[in-house]
Amino acid sequence: GDSVTQMEGPVTLSEEAFLTINCTYTATGYPSLFWYVQYPGEGLQLLLKATKADDKGSNKGFEATYRKETTSFHLEKGSVQVSDSAVYFCALTANTGGFKTIFGAGTRLFVKA
Amino acid sequence: NAGVTQTPKFQVLKTGQSMTLQCAQDMNHNSMYWYRQDPGMGLRLIYYSASEGTTDKGEVPNGYNVSRLNKREFSLRLESAAPSQTSVYFCASSEGASRGGYTFGSGTRLTVV
Repeated sequence: GDSVTQMEGPVTLSEEAFLTINCTYTATGYPSLFWYVQYPGEGLQLLLKATKADDKGSNKGFEATYRKETTSFHLEKGSVQVSDSAVYFCALTANTGGFKTIFGAGTRLFVKA
Repeated sequence: NAGVTQTPKFQVLKTGQSMTLQCAQDMNHNSMYWYRQDPGMGLRLIYYSASEGTTDKGEVPNGYNVSRLNKREFSLRLESAAPSQTSVYFCASSEGASRGGYTFGSGTRLTVV
């Protein structure tokens, strides 16, 4: 079945460092791919999405490119801030049965001042 | 503010008690979902409602029931709570099939003792 695998955390970075959080997926066809962010005590918020191969989703300085050949959707940011400390979830929705989204386990990011 | 509202935010139950988690959205979304979040496991779909008047099981439906009361409201009921149902519960909604991403509520933290 469909699945999402993302790198285990926690990831600890200093402010202004480069961030990469790896995400790979298994799915048939062309799923839609998402990154969500969860701040402490809150629900998940949609950060960015991509719906077809080679699409790049971007928001708030974060980017991720839909790579069909490597089945990946890695999250990147050029310069992290303390306020980016949160848990990040990679997710996919298959292009069949489109009411079920599969989430990765989440990666916790700590950014130190 | 527009969005998804969940009540209550916190609840402690004794084993065998029942309760209903409430969810309402004011974005005129057709589809609504209930997820549970457990440490290291990401989010798992309990039930969803593709449109008003329909409900379907997700990945972990045992021990739960749902009601799509109208287009705005989607409730989750635990008939006889068990310690294994200790979790954080999130309601979400989407305009249609979830390829566009979800809007999440802020969650209900439930402890069953």
